[in-house]
Amino acid sequence: GESVGLHLPTLSVQEGDNSIINCAYSNSASDYFIWYKQESGKGPQFIIDIRSNMDKRQGQRVTVLLNKTVKHLSLQIAATQPGDSAVYFCAEKRRDSSYKLIFGSGTRLLVRP
Amino acid sequence: SAVISQKPSRDICQRGTSLTIQCQVDSQVTMMFWYRQQPGQSLTLIATANQGSEATYESGFVIDKFPISRPNLTFSTLTVSNMSPEDSSIYLCSVGLSVLNEQYFGPGTRLTVT
Repeated sequence: GESVGLHLPTLSVQEGDNSIINCAYSNSASDYFIWYKQESGKGPQFIIDIRSNMDKRQGQRVTVLLNKTVKHLSLQIAATQPGDSAVYFCAEKRRDSSYKLIFGSGTRLLVRP
Repeated sequence: SAVISQKPSRDICQRGTSLTIQCQVDSQVTMMFWYRQQPGQSLTLIATANQGSEATYESGFVIDKFPISRPNLTFSTLTVSNMSPEDSSIYLCSVGLSVLNEQYFGPGTRLTVT
């Protein structure tokens, strides 16, 4: 399929290791954040979200951490698997908008067997 | 979540022509959106498709170039008009489950303009 993110920063990890993908967001007024996974030839897939009144949220094998002081968001993937290889985007919603998401530039995750 | 389909999945078009992309959702949703993803880039919101009224366009996008329809709560179309090679992108439909602010995306339409 067609590739996206041909010139993105890349994180390469060994299968079974933990992955940490980082995102710096721009606006201190943002109150909602989402992580998406986009595989080649597919649309973005919702992974996990977090609201600004939280610092941490856990899902299945994934954890999102929010540091509002430095406007930083991270996605941690435990026991990374080959199927986790994809481009990951963070998105923020600003408090003055009821719906508009602003996407980060993305990070490509490559899982080495 | 919601199941979202788009047609066509991909197309190759000649410059100067127009292409209409369809987005179908398996349930009624309040909000539908259209995004563009240029090669190697992130996603940019084109417009919000409003049911029963004109779409709300983001800065840099205009109705004459990207007319949008939304006749009901499960369907929307985006037309890319008078295409040029710069319009070659992936066009994505998303829906908003407004209470939770989550947005879910369709598979995208890969457009190449020659």
